[in-house]
Amino acid sequence: AQKVTQAQTEISVVEKEDVTLDCVYETRDTTYYLFWYKQPPSGELVFLIRRNSFDEQNEISGRYSWNFQKSTSSFNFTITASQVVDSAVYFCALRASGGSYIPTFGRGTSLIVHP
Amino acid sequence: DGGITQSPKYLFRKEGQNVTLSCEQNLNHDAMYWYRQDPGQGLRLIYYSQIVNDFQKGDIAEGYSVSREKKESFPLTVTSAQKNPTAFYLCASSIPESLAGSYTDTQYFGPGTRLTVL
Repeated sequence: AQKVTQAQTEISVVEKEDVTLDCVYETRDTTYYLFWYKQPPSGELVFLIRRNSFDEQNEISGRYSWNFQKSTSSFNFTITASQVVDSAVYFCALRASGGSYIPTFGRGTSLIVHP
Repeated sequence: DGGITQSPKYLFRKEGQNVTLSCEQNLNHDAMYWYRQDPGQGLRLIYYSQIVNDFQKGDIAEGYSVSREKKESFPLTVTSAQKNPTAFYLCASSIPESLAGSYTDTQYFGPGTRLTVL
């Protein structure tokens, strides 16, 4: 069985603060894929990143960075110098290579960035 | 521009009525999905289709029906049998992509339809 836990239900920060969104996953598969999506107030889920289990390199894209650690089964997402436009719900998802290819989503973390 | 469209954006339904939500994609994706999202909740899978004329139930299929007559279209009907249909409905599509020697699907989502039962 697969499971994704986003323990932080809501995070509130002031603009320009750094913020880390946690994602912890469970799977018995050795090959799997992890995803992050952003859901702004408009509602559409926007794909941010995909990472496979063989690649533990951290990734940086502008103010966004992702820290993948297999040892702790975590795939955390950090926003540096947060902005009001970063306010959204962020979802972490896991898809294992075996069985159903349907991803398992976490319950999401609502990030509120105050000006 | 390639993408996924859902219509309408807002939909109101009276109790006892069936209603159909539209989902169209021009990404040439094989697989399509329907999710339901309730306030403060994650995404729950209703139905998915890997190929035309074939679809499978997800975790909460009761009270819903789908069809996949064309690759581009995957409409969802919310029937009167669905006891609590008020929710935000998201459609997604995907296609296998090669990644480091293996294949995976990345889902891309439409803008959603907010259904309210009056």
